[in-house]
Amino acid sequence: GENVEQHPSTLSVQEGDSAVIKCTYSDSASNYFPWYKQELGKRPQLIIDIRSNVGEKKDQRIAVTLNKTAKHFSLHITETQPEDSAVYFCAASSAGGGADGLTFGKGTHLIIQP
Amino acid sequence: DAGVTQSPTHLIKTRGQHVTLRCSPISGHKSVSWYQQVLGQGPQFIFQYYEKEERGRGNFPDRFSARQFPNYSSELNVNALLLGDSALYLCASSRRDSGANVLTFGAGSRLTVL
Repeated sequence: GENVEQHPSTLSVQEGDSAVIKCTYSDSASNYFPWYKQELGKRPQLIIDIRSNVGEKKDQRIAVTLNKTAKHFSLHITETQPEDSAVYFCAASSAGGGADGLTFGKGTHLIIQP
Repeated sequence: DAGVTQSPTHLIKTRGQHVTLRCSPISGHKSVSWYQQVLGQGPQFIFQYYEKEERGRGNFPDRFSARQFPNYSSELNVNALLLGDSALYLCASSRRDSGANVLTFGAGSRLTVL
């Protein structure tokens, strides 16, 4: 089955700086890669996703890049703000999160220092 | 429009007991998935149902079962509870079971097994 590794487990950055979280996956058949943000005691919320037919996707301060050859994808957050503090999870799926489910990484606790 | 709703929000059981968790998907969503999130870890896929049929199953023992009703709501049942079943159980809904299958999560049911 799919295996997703996520690094780092904790990331502390100064407010206004950029943050990068990296994930690798094992199953070359995976073609859907979402990122979820989970604040303490709340539900995971989708912040951005990318499919294997594109290499990069941006949404305001958030971007995701995908390298299919190396089987890794990354989340980039620019101009970080206090409300970006949360746990971020990457995930991978070969069926869009459907029949095979999403395989999640273990999460990155992002801390934005004022 | 209501999001994914789950009940109960919190519950405490003892080892060997049985538990039933419930989920109502977003209106118009026909697919429901269940995930287990142990503290400090990413969610782990348990089941996916689409149009009342099981379409996917993760690596969980037969003590875990689920079903989907004609109104697309779903139940997750866990028999013979173990201490290790203590976790946040997340339900997610989506419009279909593959392809553009963006998952929206509920707030979860936090199960504590004593």
